[in-house]
Amino acid sequence: DAGVIQSPRHEVTEMGQEVTLRCKPISGHNSLFWYRQTMMRGLELLIYFNNNVPIDDSGMPEDRFSAKMPNASFSTLKIQPSEPRDSAVYFCASSLGQSNTEAFFGQGTRLTVV
Amino acid sequence: GENVEQHPSTLSVQEGDSAVIKCTYSDSASNYFPWYKQELGKRPQLIIDIRSNVGEKKDQRIAVTLNKTAKHFSLHITETQPEDSAVYFCAASSSSASKIIFGSGTRLSIRP
Repeated sequence: DAGVIQSPRHEVTEMGQEVTLRCKPISGHNSLFWYRQTMMRGLELLIYFNNNVPIDDSGMPEDRFSAKMPNASFSTLKIQPSEPRDSAVYFCASSLGQSNTEAFFGQGTRLTVV
Repeated sequence: GENVEQHPSTLSVQEGDSAVIKCTYSDSASNYFPWYKQELGKRPQLIIDIRSNVGEKKDQRIAVTLNKTAKHFSLHITETQPEDSAVYFCAASSSSASKIIFGSGTRLSIRP
């Protein structure tokens, strides 16, 4: 398996534009997580899914952020409209979803909003 | 919800010496405690984990200890080497919640 795949690797956009980040989890994994990493706040859990269903989105900073998982092999994180303070590295991770198993991270998307 | 605190935020040790990173957690239901290493510009990767039914686990130069009563766990790296330089994250998770909450990270530097 190629691991968790995220796209794009880098995204530079202007304030106010819509940004869509994409993730393909490892085949067979039932849990998917979206994290945001910044120097100030570290690794923040934004939302996670079990079996394609959003379980906890309490980490989503505000209504400008939304996430979907239409099927077991694809998820998106959308920011609309984007703001400079959204600049960060966004990681997607997946796990088997059973009790207490390792989460495998994608390579991340570095988002810069200017 | 779960809150994980980690310290120190930065740690510099002489090559060959030991490094210790400590974490505390708040949710008594947490029962899985992974440690991740993140090298510059790379993704976090699991280096070791411990479950609540054991108090200590070792893997070569790395060991983790868990004190459930006090709700704290630690990472110990012995005989440190230059390639150990990275940011280390502790995390906690429970089987009921599934989500993994990370500490704020420790930037470890190994001095030659």
